[in-house]
Amino acid sequence: EDQVTQSPEALRLQEGESSSLNCSYTVSGLRGLFWYRQDPGKGPEFLFTLYSAGEEKEKERLKATLTKKESFLHITAPKPEDSATYLCAVRFLLNDYKLSFGAGTTVTVRA
Amino acid sequence: NAGVTQTPKFQVLKTGQSMTLQCAQDMNHEYMSWYRQDPGMGLRLIHYSVGAGITDQGEVPNGYNVSRSTTEDFPLRLLSAAPSQTSVYFCASSYSAPDWSNQPQHFGDGTRLSIL
Repeated sequence: EDQVTQSPEALRLQEGESSSLNCSYTVSGLRGLFWYRQDPGKGPEFLFTLYSAGEEKEKERLKATLTKKESFLHITAPKPEDSATYLCAVRFLLNDYKLSFGAGTTVTVRA
Repeated sequence: NAGVTQTPKFQVLKTGQSMTLQCAQDMNHEYMSWYRQDPGMGLRLIHYSVGAGITDQGEVPNGYNVSRSTTEDFPLRLLSAAPSQTSVYFCASSYSAPDWSNQPQHFGDGTRLSIL
């Protein structure tokens, strides 16, 4: 069964302390991998789409990368406003009618 | 530009009651979907629609009905509420062309539903 696993579950960072979040998935054929940000009490907000291994996307302090088995979301010099839960979602070649979401990584950035 | 609007934001029901969660979008998106989000789990797809008059089941459809009479609206009906349906429900929409499966989805802010 296609699965999406995110790690770590929670990440506490000091302001300016760069780190990475991981999203791994079973390799049964990838149509697209999506990163979302979710703030408390809000719906997920789209960040990036990645389609093929080697692809990279950047937005402000965030950079997403993709390999054949996993994706990383790098947060460079984070600020307190980067505190949120980051969700990874995959659309697989088989069962492409649905997005398979990971459980998320909750990032807390302290000033 | 309102985006995806969900009502109500909060609701408490008794077991066995029925209700409809409303979802409306003003972006002329063809694709709409409903998810539930439970603690420690990823969002799970309940039902989806690729256009007016077309709906299909997601991975957890039991106990829920949907209809799509207009492009803008996609209501979710709970037929007979059960405590296991206590969750946060999100509606999402996206363009369909050229390939609906790779369009980013736009989410509403959710309905927090408690079943007693």
